[in-house]
Amino acid sequence: LAKTTQPISMDSYEGQEVNITCSHNNIATNDYITWYQQFPSQGPRFIIQGYKTKVTNEVASLFIPADRKSSTLSLPRVSLSDTAVYYCLLRSNDYKLSFGAGTTVTVRA
Amino acid sequence: NAGVTQTPKFQVLKTGQSMTLQCAQDMNHEYMSWYRQDPGMGLRLIHYSVGAGITDQGEVPNGYNVSRSTTEDFPLRLLSAAPSQTSVYFCASSGRQGASTDTQYFGPGTRLTVL
Repeated sequence: LAKTTQPISMDSYEGQEVNITCSHNNIATNDYITWYQQFPSQGPRFIIQGYKTKVTNEVASLFIPADRKSSTLSLPRVSLSDTAVYYCLLRSNDYKLSFGAGTTVTVRA
Repeated sequence: NAGVTQTPKFQVLKTGQSMTLQCAQDMNHEYMSWYRQDPGMGLRLIHYSVGAGITDQGEVPNGYNVSRSTTEDFPLRLLSAAPSQTSVYFCASSGRQGASTDTQYFGPGTRLTVL
């Protein structure tokens, strides 16, 4: 499974935009870029997924450049409840997910 | 629609004991999997199943057995518990294999301590 690299931690304040960049230099043609969120003592929760360009949903936006070697998860106007660990993963058709350590985002008042 | 359910929520075992962690989903998903998460780390795949009667090993399968007799249930058995198996265990399910838009839904987890 191709590996992803993302920052270990990020701090922010309420109302700010948080951007988490993930590197995946060895991404395969069939891979989709997927982001999960995990709160303490809970299972991961799907946030957003994309293949190329930009994807937006009610929670976040995902920006993927043309070479697909990186991606950026954007969380607009974060609140305290967005404090969590965010995982960037590559998924292919076999459904196996490979989780790294993720990015711990801490939102302060 | 309960999604993915796991029982028990907490369990303490002594070294050498065996037990089964239960996982069930009511979404008619074909794909189910078990992960373990150690403190400060990401999830690691233990076993997975792409349908009833079909299972395969993931990244860390040693010490665990699985079976998939029905679409709904995917139990994880610890054969002889060891302290190294102290972890939080998550079960997940998703729809059709190969459907790139399908996402995995995770259960709430079972926190296992082996003394």
